[in-house]
Amino acid sequence: SQELEQSPQSLIVQEGKNLTINCTSSKTLYGLYWYKQKYGEGLIFLMMLQKGGEEKSHEKITAKLDEKKQQSSLHITASQPSHAGIYLCGADIYGSNGGYQKVTFGTGTKLQVIP
Amino acid sequence: GAVVSQHPSWVICKSGTSVKIECRSLDFQATTMFWYRQFPKQSLMLMATSNEGSKATYEQGVEKDKFLINHASLTLSTLTVTSAHPEDSSFYICSARIYRATDYEQYFGPGTRLTVT
Repeated sequence: SQELEQSPQSLIVQEGKNLTINCTSSKTLYGLYWYKQKYGEGLIFLMMLQKGGEEKSHEKITAKLDEKKQQSSLHITASQPSHAGIYLCGADIYGSNGGYQKVTFGTGTKLQVIP
Repeated sequence: GAVVSQHPSWVICKSGTSVKIECRSLDFQATTMFWYRQFPKQSLMLMATSNEGSKATYEQGVEKDKFLINHASLTLSTLTVTSAHPEDSSFYICSARIYRATDYEQYFGPGTRLTVT
C-alpha cells in the first residue's frame, strides 16, 4: 500500500486561479519534501518542512505541515502556465527496522494550467 | 540549489552484462545518497540508502547482490547493476542529502535510463 497519499492525482486550472495539493500519511512525518518535475526534466526541490505547523514559501508556492505532522498541503496562488508539471511530495518516515529513516514518495499530482 | 549529476544519462546493454551508474554531488558534500528506481506510471521506489564509508542499506525486496552500491567518497556514489536482465530496464535516479545548520535538503540527479536487450 502507498505510504503517502497525494490528492488530487491530476488537476486542470485556469491561469490565475489558486489551487491546493495535499499529501497525507498514516504515520508521523519527520521531514516532508515538495518537488516539481517538469515534463522531460529532473526533479526540482521546492522546499522541506520539519516542524508541525511550519509554513514555507517559494515564489507563489506555499507549503504547510500540519500540527500532527501527518499531512502537508501545497498551495499555488494565481497559477501560471509555468507552474504546470508534476508535483511530488516525499517524506522521511521510520522504516520497518526501526530508527532508520527513509524517504518515500507520494504518487504525484499532474498540474495543467490553461492560459 | 545544489547540483547532482548522473552518468551516463542513458545506456543500452546486453543481457548478462553489468552496468555502472555514477552519481556525483558537484558543489557539496553528501554524507547520504539515495538510489531510486522509477517504474512506468508509478512513483519513485527507494532501492537503497548509502552513507559514505559504510555499507548501503537496502529496501525490502531489493537484491543487494544484484544492485551493488558503493559510496566511496562524500561526492560519489555508484550503482552497479550486475548480470542485467531485460526486467532491470528502468529509470534510475540518485539523490544526495545536504545538511544545512538545523535543516537539510535533498537534491536529485537527472536520472539514467537503462535499457537491457
